[in-house]
Amino acid sequence: ETAMTQSPATLSVSPGERATLSCRASQSINSNLAWYQQKPGQSPRLLIFDASTRATGIPARFSGGGSGTEFTLTIISLQSEDFAVYYCQQYHNWPRTFGQGTKLEIK
Amino acid sequence: QVHLVESGGGVVQPGGSRRLSCAASGFSFSYYGMHWVRQAPGKGLEWVAFIRYDGNYNYYEDSLKGRFTVSRDNSKNTLYLQMNSLRAEDTAVYYCAKDWGYYDTSGYYFDYWGQGTLVTVSS
Repeated sequence: ETAMTQSPATLSVSPGERATLSCRASQSINSNLAWYQQKPGQSPRLLIFDASTRATGIPARFSGGGSGTEFTLTIISLQSEDFAVYYCQQYHNWPRTFGQGTKLEIK
Repeated sequence: QVHLVESGGGVVQPGGSRRLSCAASGFSFSYYGMHWVRQAPGKGLEWVAFIRYDGNYNYYEDSLKGRFTVSRDNSKNTLYLQMNSLRAEDTAVYYCAKDWGYYDTSGYYFDYWGQGTLVTVSS
């Protein structure tokens, strides 16, 4: 199984600032990585796929990077609606696996 | 637009069974793979199972093999998850999610999600 490790578990950032979230795979997954955002009481929403491609309707302030085993999700100019939990997910190997999530909270 | 609606959740006794359904609309259901993903209360996301567009190929999270079975009825645009020998640790919100891949064997990422249905395993 490909283990996905996200860091930090919680990230406190002020609105308008930049947030960088990390995701590490236990083995190479090329660029087969997606990021999701989940707000309280809601279903997850796809943000990024193929490590760096924004999904339809996702604002340009969200960007993804990395390949192999190290990945990042960067959000610039944080808006109030961006404070949520973010998950990475690999689709290179079975079983598909998620990271444990990073909670992005208002500082 | 894509719409996924799960149903079938509720309270189940340990050792019991439950079948979840996911009604799909707004896309050509028979051409897309589908997944089940669950989330225990206050916890993260856990992938459960995948079924190919034609129902002839599937994958499961290793620890669930033999207890959970994913199936689909393309004539009814509906996905199912049969859960047997349920345990307290199976308590979770169960989401169905559409796979990105069109007419493809490989499961990819999840581009649309339902609202989820809560299964509580408790006596």
